[in-house]
Amino acid sequence: EIVLTQSPGTLSLSPGEGATLSCRASQSVTSNYLAWYQQRPGQAPRLLIYDASTRATAIPGRFSGTGSGTDFTLTITRLEPEDFAVYYCQQYGSSPRTFGGGTKVEIK
Amino acid sequence: EVQLVESGGGLVQPGGSLRLSCAASGFTFTNYHINWVRQAPGKGLEWLSHIGGFSNDIYYADSVKGRFTISRDNVKNSLYLQMDSLSAEDTGVYYCARGIYYLDHWGQGALVTVSS
Repeated sequence: EIVLTQSPGTLSLSPGEGATLSCRASQSVTSNYLAWYQQRPGQAPRLLIYDASTRATAIPGRFSGTGSGTDFTLTITRLEPEDFAVYYCQQYGSSPRTFGGGTKVEIK
Repeated sequence: EVQLVESGGGLVQPGGSLRLSCAASGFTFTNYHINWVRQAPGKGLEWLSHIGGFSNDIYYADSVKGRFTISRDNVKNSLYLQMDSLSAEDTGVYYCARGIYYLDHWGQGALVTVSS
């Protein structure tokens, strides 16, 4: 099973600042099959990025994903108030599908 | 509009059983794998199981294998999760989500509480 480790656990930032979130895999993710999700309080997760770098439908351009192999990054430029949430990475290159533990982006 | 709506959550005693349902609409149901993902209170996401469009390609996480059974009814456009031998560790919100790889649409979740 591939273990995904997200860092940092919490990111304290102000609106307008940029955020860089990391997701590291215990072994190489096949075909860079990695997704990022956003979960706001009390809501279901929402797909942001798939295949490591492809934005999902209707996701703003300030969200971008990069990386390959074992190291992946989600970047949010110019944080908007609605971006303060928890972010999860997920690999789907091998079974079982696994999620990272999440990074909380909170208002500083 | 794609919609997934879970139902069937509630309070159940340890050792008991519960059956969750997920009603799908807005897409061709048989074209998609559907998954169950749960979230313990204050914790992260845990993928549990998926099922292919014609009930092929069924897979379970080790944590639920032998206790949970996933199924679907393509006439009713519905997904099910039969949960047996429940313990406190199974408490959480259970989401159904569409996709064989990444999960592009999620339901709002059903809360399952296992407690005496």
